[in-house]
Amino acid sequence: DTAVSQTPKYLVTQMGNDKSIKCEQNLGHDTMYWYKQDSKKFLKIMFSYNNKELIINETVPNRFSPKSPDKAHLNLHINSLELGDSAVYFCASSQGGQVAGELFFGEGSRLTVL
Amino acid sequence: AQKVTQAQTEISVVEKEDVTLDCVYETRDTTYYLFWYKQPPSGELVFLIRRNSFDEQNEISGRYSWNFQKSTSSFNFTITASQVVDSAVYFCGEYSSASKIIFGSGTRLSIRP
Repeated sequence: DTAVSQTPKYLVTQMGNDKSIKCEQNLGHDTMYWYKQDSKKFLKIMFSYNNKELIINETVPNRFSPKSPDKAHLNLHINSLELGDSAVYFCASSQGGQVAGELFFGEGSRLTVL
Repeated sequence: AQKVTQAQTEISVVEKEDVTLDCVYETRDTTYYLFWYKQPPSGELVFLIRRNSFDEQNEISGRYSWNFQKSTSSFNFTITASQVVDSAVYFCGEYSSASKIIFGSGTRLSIRP
C-alpha cells in the first residue's frame, strides 16, 4: 500500500564500491525525482524523470546514474562511492505538467560510506 | 533565479506558545507554487500545503496557518498553541518554470514541554 517505496532503507558500504537504490511508486504519477539530504538537513534535487525521460540533472557527478525502466520506477546507481556521498536519498513522485502537484516522498535511504 | 530562504535555522519555544516560521522566495516567473513540508524526527517528509502564485488568500488548517504576501515574496507558516508533536524540521519550497521544487535550508523547531 506504500505510495512511494525505496529499498534499501539503510546501506553501509566501503569507499570505492558501487551501490544501487531502488524506487517504485504506485500512484500513477508521471514524474519521479531523486533528492539528496546531507548531514545539515539540506534537501537538494539531483534528478527528475518524466515518463522515463530525464528532464532535470542538477550537475550531479557522473558517478551517479539514474535509470527509469518505466514511469513507476526510478533507480539510482552510484559508482565508486566517496565519503561525501553519505547522505539520505529521497525518492519522490508527482503528477507533473504545468500544474505542480505535491511531491510524495519515500521514506528515504540512508547511505553511509566508510 | 529560483531561491528559497529560511533564515531561522532553529527555533525553540515552550508548549502552547505560538510560533512563526519565515520563508522568503525568489523567482522571475509569474506562475509558481509554494509548499511547506514537515520532517519529524522519524525522517519522512510530510506535505503540509501547496499555494499557487495567483491565490494570496491566507489559509488556516486547525492550528496551522499560512500567510502568503507577494509584495514581500514571503510565505510564512504559523503554528498556534504549539505542541510537542510539532517538533520537526520544516521546509519551505518553490516550484516554477524549471519544473522542480527548490527547498530552503529548513527550520528546526523544538517544542519544550
